Amino acid sequence: QVQLVQSGAEVKKPGASVKVSCKASGYTFTSYGISWVRQAPGQGLEWMGWISAYNGNTNYAQKLQGRVTMTTDTSTSTAYMELRSLRSDDTAVYYCARPLSDYGDPIDAFDIWGQGTMVTVSS
Amino acid sequence: DIQMTQSPSTLSASVGDRVTITCRASQSISSWLAWYQQKPGKAPKLLIYKASSLESGVPSRFSGSGSGTEFTLTISSLQPDDFATYYCQQYNSYPSFGPGTKVDIK
Repeated sequence: QVQLVQSGAEVKKPGASVKVSCKASGYTFTSYGISWVRQAPGQGLEWMGWISAYNGNTNYAQKLQGRVTMTTDTSTSTAYMELRSLRSDDTAVYYCARPLSDYGDPIDAFDIWGQGTMVTVSS
Repeated sequence: DIQMTQSPSTLSASVGDRVTITCRASQSISSWLAWYQQKPGKAPKLLIYKASSLESGVPSRFSGSGSGTEFTLTISSLQPDDFATYYCQQYNSYPSFGPGTKVDIK
């Protein structure tokens, strides 16, 4: 079945970096993009950005520009999200999500979600 | 950026009730709106896309309507499995989500 499986929980100190992985299966990885969405404890959902698994094009949320990098490894059907200069307000569950449309763009809804990765930033 | 609001923020209801949640966009988004259900500790689940299209496998008691700036999600007869938080999301421009509506047991 179509699924996205994410890496495990992380605990980081302020100022450090974290890299979360999202392994896709059950579909042609390069036919879809991957978006990343995060959710702070008890809060709502925030779109972080998108990467095309077809050509590596990216679009990042303006507030994260300069701190976030999204990449893919097509040989392993895996997407990665790296967030640098971590702050306490980056503490959240990070989700990868597949857009509804293939060969689309970042502007879409999401039908397949990973299970989430908890990232805790604490000194 | 397009801002999304939802009302109410919390809704107390009983099994069998008809439930309606409203989502408003700060500018017109045509029909580019999705609804998700999220349970504690789980990822969001897509229910409705393009304002009124039911995602495959989602029970027909869920329906969506609206266009422009005002949208509704209706659950025709609330079931025990439906107690959860519901989010709307616009995708007329870079995605943004509403703050959520928690449906709990009356």
